[in-house]
Amino acid sequence: QQQVKQSPQSLIVQKGGISIINCAYENTAFDYFPWYQQFPGKGPALLIAIRPDVSEKKEGRFTISFNKSAKQFSLHIMDSQPGDSATYFCAASINTGFQKLVFGTGTRLLVSP
Amino acid sequence: DVKVTQSSRYLVKRTGEKVFLECVQDMDHENMFWYRQDPGLGLRLIYFSYDVKMKEKGDIPEGYSVSREKKERFSLILESASTNQTSMYLCASNPPPGTSSYNEQFFGPGTRLTVL
Repeated sequence: QQQVKQSPQSLIVQKGGISIINCAYENTAFDYFPWYQQFPGKGPALLIAIRPDVSEKKEGRFTISFNKSAKQFSLHIMDSQPGDSATYFCAASINTGFQKLVFGTGTRLLVSP
Repeated sequence: DVKVTQSSRYLVKRTGEKVFLECVQDMDHENMFWYRQDPGLGLRLIYFSYDVKMKEKGDIPEGYSVSREKKERFSLILESASTNQTSMYLCASNPPPGTSSYNEQFFGPGTRLTVL
């Protein structure tokens, strides 16, 4: 049972464009929503995260938009660069001592030069 | 910087073999995790551990076991490897509550296991 649904599976964006990846969750007890970025041959690394008490969080060119009522959140990459080409995973967790994350299925982003 | 290392980047084993995947973290983290990553399925949690000798099943524990004899080391064991366990295996750890990066999981580079 997929508790966090992610789309699209793959995405091609021109350099300078906006990349948008969407996720939807089912469990209303989730209270932490991170995005992880994974380059080929590397493990995922935390990119940006949000809690449900805010609707948006921005860090540089990366923004998370959060819609609590719709149970959806999305990652926006502004001015996408070839160096952003990677696989992106959304995730969600309930804030317990274990930080047990439920991951989406991933989006492979390719930013063309 | 937190460093999570995994014993092998690539591993090829035969069906029925017992396989050990080792993970070591150098930041005194209490929580450690094993995931498998498959295309189209994302990362799925196999087991996690919140202390030495403590373990909890994740979402897909069947066919796997784990061992945590020391705080820094978390091992994943495939008792009798099967072809459907061919996958990328990722280890992660995260710091205890009260630290600034408490919510962050730090991943190793992964072990790509092929079972023939």
